[in-house]
Amino acid sequence: DIVMTQTPLSSPVTLGQPASISCRSSQSLVHRDGNTYLSWLQQRPGQPPRLLIYKVSNRFSGVPDRFSGSGAGTDFTLTISRVEAEDVGVYYCMQAKQFPQYTFGQGTKLEIK
Amino acid sequence: EVQLLESGGGFVQPGGSLRLSCAATGFTFYNYAMSWVRQTPGKGLEWVSAISPSDGSTYYADSVKGRFTISRDNSKNTLYLQMSSLRADDTAVYYCAKIGLRSSPYDFDYWGQGTLLTVSS
Repeated sequence: DIVMTQTPLSSPVTLGQPASISCRSSQSLVHRDGNTYLSWLQQRPGQPPRLLIYKVSNRFSGVPDRFSGSGAGTDFTLTISRVEAEDVGVYYCMQAKQFPQYTFGQGTKLEIK
Repeated sequence: EVQLLESGGGFVQPGGSLRLSCAATGFTFYNYAMSWVRQTPGKGLEWVSAISPSDGSTYYADSVKGRFTISRDNSKNTLYLQMSSLRADDTAVYYCAKIGLRSSPYDFDYWGQGTLLTVSS
């Protein structure tokens, strides 16, 4: 199985300031079709996970442009350019390279200072 | 609007069985693979099982293989998870998720609200 490791596990951020979360995979997430299947999910308190970013850097429908994803191979980053109160929650990275044997990061809790 | 509504969770004793359902609306159900993912406070998100759109191919995590059975009824737009020989470590919130958006065939684009399974004596 591909192991996904996120850092940090907790991130206190000031409103209006940027935040970033890192995710590292135990092997390359480049699929044989040439795409890299790394996505980011957001889980607000009491809510199910929600897709934010897919294939490293593509924002899903309705996701604000303050969210962006970057990276390649085994190292990836989710960046929030200016944190808003509604961004509080837990963020997960997920790999789909080994479809359907998906694996997730441990989650990073984003909270407001 | 895509909606996934799970049901069937509850309290079960170890060794017991239960069936979860996920009613899907807002998309052409038979065109998409579907999956179950569970979440526990201790282990986070864990993929459980997936099923192809039409040929019935099924896939399972090693932790549930031989005990859980995923199925779907495309005429009812419903996904199922039959669980047996339940153990305490199956206690979790179970989510159904739709697999595949136009430009990414393997990603979960929509998730249901989840249903809680508690296995305890």
